[in-house]
Amino acid sequence: DGGITQSPKYLFRKEGQNVTLSCEQNLNHDAMYWYRQDPGQGLRLIYYSQIVNDFQKGDIAEGYSVSREKKESFPLTVTSAQKNPTAFYLCASSFGPGVNTEAFFGQGTRLTVV
Amino acid sequence: GENVEQHPSTLSVQEGDSAVIKCTYSDSASNYFPWYKQELGKGPQLIIDIRSNVGEKKDQRIAVTLNKTAKHFSLHITETQPEDSAVYFCAASRPSGAGSYQLTFGKGTKLSVIP
Repeated sequence: DGGITQSPKYLFRKEGQNVTLSCEQNLNHDAMYWYRQDPGQGLRLIYYSQIVNDFQKGDIAEGYSVSREKKESFPLTVTSAQKNPTAFYLCASSFGPGVNTEAFFGQGTRLTVV
Repeated sequence: GENVEQHPSTLSVQEGDSAVIKCTYSDSASNYFPWYKQELGKGPQLIIDIRSNVGEKKDQRIAVTLNKTAKHFSLHITETQPEDSAVYFCAASRPSGAGSYQLTFGKGTKLSVIP
């Protein structure tokens, strides 16, 4: 069954701790994305990667880090430097460079800082 | 960069009526416009899309129109049903260098269909 898997669905973190959100896809897509969603704010781009071993900052990258060591995986680390990390995080993928088409989304991870 | 404005932010309609959501974009280089539906606690799912070489596209009860000159596009849902209740996002995709494309999303419209 092809798709994007995000885990965990719910995540709780204490202030000052780093936490890593997982995103895996088996769609053979080159491009992967991380978005943050807050009520009334729509989807804001954190980081994106067009190809393995390469990634770029999006509009709100401060306090976040990513890696893209494998085509299938694009984990997002929310660091202690992120001042307001509580949000719904969405991972997406698309075919990649040269193909302008839709992004496919995972089911999201809700992160709560306690 | 691209800026996508979406209106209204909330919309309530009676079951069976039509719903219209409108979006404007700023970058004339944008050439692909998808619409997503997001149900509570889930990720957005594509419901329809349109490319800049087409003015209108229809899929059963859902249609999208595009006016490139005015830089606006709209989602039309006819004969609404309670299961249409969700948050809808429009997006615009433009080239961002090296053969890649970047999607910019509107802030969403919460549609409520009242039985």
